[in-house]
Amino acid sequence: GAVVSQHPSRVICKSGTSVKIECRSLDFQATTMFWYRQFPKKSLMLMATSNEGSKATYEQGVEKDKFLINHASLTLSTLTVTSAHPEDSSFYICSAPAGNTIYFGEGSWLTVV
Amino acid sequence: AQSVTQLDSHVSVSEGTPVLLRCNYSSSYSPSLFWYVQHPNKGLQLLLKYTSAATLVKGINGFEAEFKKSETSFHLTKPSAHMSDAAEYFCVVSGAQAGTALIFGKGTTLSVSS
Repeated sequence: GAVVSQHPSRVICKSGTSVKIECRSLDFQATTMFWYRQFPKKSLMLMATSNEGSKATYEQGVEKDKFLINHASLTLSTLTVTSAHPEDSSFYICSAPAGNTIYFGEGSWLTVV
Repeated sequence: AQSVTQLDSHVSVSEGTPVLLRCNYSSSYSPSLFWYVQHPNKGLQLLLKYTSAATLVKGINGFEAEFKKSETSFHLTKPSAHMSDAAEYFCVVSGAQAGTALIFGKGTTLSVSS
């Protein structure tokens, strides 16, 4: 079946640095991908919809200049957390639709120290 | 707008007893509904999904859910809890259009005691 892969699965970065998370559809093309964020012991909140070849659509309250999303190809979307702060520490997970099914990546744990 | 409400933030059961996790949905059209499970420090695993076929949906690990349009509910059940079922469970509804983002409920933490 369809597979979505995220990398890295875990990353620790220093405050003020930027970190990039990749989301790849391994055996299908995805014109749209979704990025979610999960705070500890909380639910998943949709951050943005990544659109291949155009700008991402951000949900209300999500800083687009802080969470840069690029969807440069039909199989790759990237989320870059810029000038990271400890409050950005979270679980980030992407998903992509294939037909009538939406597939999730394995998620990426970000810790900012 | 689509939304789901998980009625219990925390459910505790004893091993071997039934599990009931409640979910109500709101949708302006016939939705697709899902239950996902997340074990501690892990990603998401799809338990089951309803997509307008049979109203009783069987999933993995002995879980099942029944879609009741009249009650706008999609409760998750399991006849006999196992210790390994302890996890966070999310009721999820599809977006307004095909291929749009899924909308997650706030989650229910299931604890299983021996």
